[in-house]
Amino acid sequence: KNQVEQSPQSLIILEGKNCTLQCNYTVSPFSNLRWYKQDTGRGPVSLTIMTFSENTKSNGRYTATLDADTKQSSLHITASQLSDSASYICVVSATAGTALIFGKGTTLSVSS
Amino acid sequence: NAGVMQNPRHLVRRRGQEARLRCSPMKGHSHVYWYRQLPEEGLKFMVYLQKENIIDESGMPKERFSAEFPKEGPSILRIQQVVRGDSAAYFCASSPPGQGTTGNEKLFFGSGTQLSVL
Repeated sequence: KNQVEQSPQSLIILEGKNCTLQCNYTVSPFSNLRWYKQDTGRGPVSLTIMTFSENTKSNGRYTATLDADTKQSSLHITASQLSDSASYICVVSATAGTALIFGKGTTLSVSS
Repeated sequence: NAGVMQNPRHLVRRRGQEARLRCSPMKGHSHVYWYRQLPEEGLKFMVYLQKENIIDESGMPKERFSAEFPKEGPSILRIQQVVRGDSAAYFCASSPPGQGTTGNEKLFFGSGTQLSVL
């Protein structure tokens, strides 16, 4: 069964600290893996998209890694800001087009 | 340069009524996707449409749910005879033409419609 599991479910960190979110998947065949940021009451916004051959991809203070052998990905946030408080969703594409499998997300709270 | 526009933001219906959710894709986008998000759950794919065509409706419930994307106007997700279990956030996403269904197309999401069924 195609599944995307994320951990931790929620996380609280102090402003300025770094954090790492985890994503494990059992989706096959694999096309790509995406990380989205979803603010409360808003739609998801794409952070990164990685294909099978990509091990790491950065977008500002966000760095995603992918290990296609172990089917694991991580999202590292550097020097967190209050505006980073949101849900971070890992999404895996099983085949071309519409078969996106969404994780339940990690809720990050950054406090001052 | 408006993004994906969804309306209404909030919709309250009584059991048995009809719900119509609208989605206007980003300017120049011709692909529309609908997703449903239940509380504490991840988004679940419902349907993928191009202008006047349903490409993939494998995630749509067999009854009461329908979607369209006419040549002119927004995409509509229609739920007939709503039940309490239909209460959820419904998100629309769009992508530009030419990306086809490679699996690498970048999706732009709207802010969603929160449907509450009393």
